[in-house]
Amino acid sequence: DIQMTQSPSTLSASLGDRVTITCRASQRISSWLAWYQQKPGKAPNLLIYRASSLESGVPLRFSGSGSGTEFTLTISSLQPDDFATYYCQQYDTYPYTFGQGTKLEIK
Amino acid sequence: QVQLVASGGGVVQPGTSLRLSCAASAFSFSNNAMHWVRQAPDKGLEWVGVISSDGSTKYAVDSVKGRFSISRDNSKNTLDLQMKSLTTEDTAVYFCGRGRGSGYVDFWGQGTLVTVSS
Repeated sequence: DIQMTQSPSTLSASLGDRVTITCRASQRISSWLAWYQQKPGKAPNLLIYRASSLESGVPLRFSGSGSGTEFTLTISSLQPDDFATYYCQQYDTYPYTFGQGTKLEIK
Repeated sequence: QVQLVASGGGVVQPGTSLRLSCAASAFSFSNNAMHWVRQAPDKGLEWVGVISSDGSTKYAVDSVKGRFSISRDNSKNTLDLQMKSLTTEDTAVYFCGRGRGSGYVDFWGQGTLVTVSS
């Protein structure tokens, strides 16, 4: 199975900060990577697909990049609604796998 | 608007079976692959499996193969997850999700909680 490793596991940041979350795959997955945001008690919400394509309705402050084995999710200027847990997911090879999550906290 | 409503969760004993359902509305259900993803309490997301739009192809994670079965009824816009030989490790919120292509999930249901406990 392809292992997805996110870093950091927890990130403390302030409103207006630019933050970056990294996701590494244990083998090459081309650009078959999605990013999701999840708030406590809620279902995840799709942010990015195919590594860098912004899902419709998602604010432009979110962006994704990378290919192969290393990927990043960047939030350009943190807003109050952005404090949540973020997951990457590879969909190159079955079984699809998620990263362990990155919890974004208010500093 | 698009809706996925998961149901069927509950408290069951180890070794027993449970069937989850997911009712879809406001989109062309028969055009989309559908996924099940689970989340154990205070843990991350785990992909469980996927079924193709016509139901002919299914994939599942090894930990549930032979115990869980995914099916769908495109005439009723429903997705099912039949779970057998449940263990405490299967305790989780189970989400159904609409697939785009057969890859990622572009819309998620609200989840249904399955608790396996003696």
